[in-house]
Amino acid sequence: KAGVTQTPRYLIKTRGQQVTLSCSPISGHRSVSWYQQTPGQGLQFLFEYFSETQRNKGNFPGRFSGRQFSNSRSEMNVSTLELGDSALYLCASSLGQGITAKNIQYFGAGTRLSVL
Amino acid sequence: AQTVTQSQPEMSVQEAETVTLSCTYDTSESDYYLFWYKQPPSRQMILVIRQEAYKQQNATENRFSVNFQKAAKSFSLKISDSQLGDAAMYFCAELYNQGGKLIFGQGTELSVKP
Repeated sequence: KAGVTQTPRYLIKTRGQQVTLSCSPISGHRSVSWYQQTPGQGLQFLFEYFSETQRNKGNFPGRFSGRQFSNSRSEMNVSTLELGDSALYLCASSLGQGITAKNIQYFGAGTRLSVL
Repeated sequence: AQTVTQSQPEMSVQEAETVTLSCTYDTSESDYYLFWYKQPPSRQMILVIRQEAYKQQNATENRFSVNFQKAAKSFSLKISDSQLGDAAMYFCAELYNQGGKLIFGQGTELSVKP
């Protein structure tokens, strides 16, 4: 079974641009969660999608948005990039049904975003 | 707000010896899961072990085991017979609010000396 796939692996953008990151979950998984990892703030939850609906959201500005498609693939978009958005963005997928073992999250390799 | 705290930024262990990484959490939930994830230099986050809060028995996965103290809200990871490949950043995490949201600790960087 293929794991969680994130594309691209690396991105370089300049301030003010926007960027879209993609995440393909493990086959059969309906929940996709996104995290931002930086040296200063650590791992922070961005949002979670389940069956095309945003179910949970972290404390990030509206410049950060996402969506999920009917095949459970998810995209994350960041508009008007700032230097502080430079980070490793991790995507995780799970079956997504309540607090059970089915909610174990499996992670992709991440997308490294550099904002210049 | 839920918080997860790892008080050891760095730890070191000799190959073949045992090391324990500490984690405390602060939750108001009655039903939750706790995890240890490993992140090697490749940055791929790998699940090491999980513990269901309603289970009193400590979880074990080969050389990895946890000491889950629910009343003290403590969840430590013990690595036995440490191997060079165990060198990585280790994160403690709690699964929160109906799933989908992991709250991570700050991480403990483990080095293994040959």
